Amino acid sequence: RKEVEQDPGPFNVPEGATVAFNCTYSNSASQSFFWYRQDCRKEPKLLMSVYSSGNEDGRFTAQLNRASQYISLLIRDSKLSDSATYLCVVNKEDNFNKFYFGSGTKLNVKP
Amino acid sequence: NAGVTQTPKFQVLKTGQSMTLQCAQDMNHNSMYWYRQDPGMGLRLIYYSASEGTTDKGEVPNGYNVSRLNKREFSLRLESAAPSQTSVYFCASSVGRAQYFGPGTRLLVL
Repeated sequence: RKEVEQDPGPFNVPEGATVAFNCTYSNSASQSFFWYRQDCRKEPKLLMSVYSSGNEDGRFTAQLNRASQYISLLIRDSKLSDSATYLCVVNKEDNFNKFYFGSGTKLNVKP
Repeated sequence: NAGVTQTPKFQVLKTGQSMTLQCAQDMNHNSMYWYRQDPGMGLRLIYYSASEGTTDKGEVPNGYNVSRLNKREFSLRLESAAPSQTSVYFCASSVGRAQYFGPGTRLLVL
């Protein structure tokens, strides 16, 4: 079983829509959680960390549900520039140098 | 600051050839990483270096070797390339839990 699983999508949404992605992780010892954004043929870039209490950065909101072992990313008022692949990343308590990446969820925002 | 740089950007190899992928960071980060990214697989950790002078295996180390030359540089070597090593290779460095990636090397092994 993969450490991190994501729906590959694509999610096709109109500009201005609200869209949410989930990501599940298999190991309850997972300690830190992140969302990265990857544009086509580019490197991943950190979008935001995910904290236990949930956190917001502008139009982006991240939530963590430890009981069900999933994290979510909500994007409000989608922009064309939000089109990208969103990668879920987890990090275990026993080795903070090992990061486990999901295969990503592709988002297409259309005019 | 250039951040994390990688060379080369593209490379075509024949089966059995060797090559070294270079990575350098100018952010004074202690930890550095090598990943490969294949379609539908996500990024998988090949090797990492928690500090200068140390290296450890990741999830998929077979067929690769690494050298942490100094704090700035972390190279990945393929001694005898195989078609299964066709992939996009990303180097990263980190401070705390946030990772910063280089632009990647696209490698095709024929």
